[in-house]
Amino acid sequence: GAGVSQSPRYKVAKRGQDVALRCDPISGHVSLFWYQQALGQGPEFLTYFQNEAQLDKSGLPSDRFFAERPEGSVSTLKIQRTQQEDSAVYLCASSFLGRTNEKLFFGSGTQLSVL
Amino acid sequence: AQTVTQSQPEMSVQEAETVTLSCTYDTSENNYYLFWYKQPPSRQMILVIRQEAYKQQNATENRFSVNFQKAAKSFSLKISDSQLGDTAMYFCALREGGKLIFGQGTELSVKP
Repeated sequence: GAGVSQSPRYKVAKRGQDVALRCDPISGHVSLFWYQQALGQGPEFLTYFQNEAQLDKSGLPSDRFFAERPEGSVSTLKIQRTQQEDSAVYLCASSFLGRTNEKLFFGSGTQLSVL
Repeated sequence: AQTVTQSQPEMSVQEAETVTLSCTYDTSENNYYLFWYKQPPSRQMILVIRQEAYKQQNATENRFSVNFQKAAKSFSLKISDSQLGDTAMYFCALREGGKLIFGQGTELSVKP
């Protein structure tokens, strides 16, 4: 596709439910990032992939959060037993070569509301 | 640890005027990169401008320019000839190695 695609755009979950958020990066992009953005705040880093390798998962807030990118393209962020504090916009971004000075291309995010 | 601070939660400017958004950061690295991203209501982050720390010359992109003060760890964004379409959240960001760290954001309103 032409850009980074995220689905669903909106997700409402009951507390305790498991959710899966999908990110389709730009074709051929090596690096993929996940961010969590609470209302009125800046995006907080969650995790980072280079191809299928998860190089940094230091931002994942608890062991309820899990991300994968098994074939080095599409990535899924899974949140188990959702809590109200998980309500946020989850942004995905990708970049071509993964170099530090590269521009990141962002998707429009998934807005998760946990009731 | 890396930190990025934007001390202006909200700013407003008249159309066609100039506005400056502030950003300070902290890092122990000597080589890093700084970015300004714009986030309109659509939520999709758009790169505005980037600066490499080892370059002394301030980056410019059309109406957007930065004032990079490495010793002071300051990286402000100047928007000249402000347009209504510049209304958005603006985030300053720092990257060293893998992850990109964002500030809290400044909400800019351009008034007609």
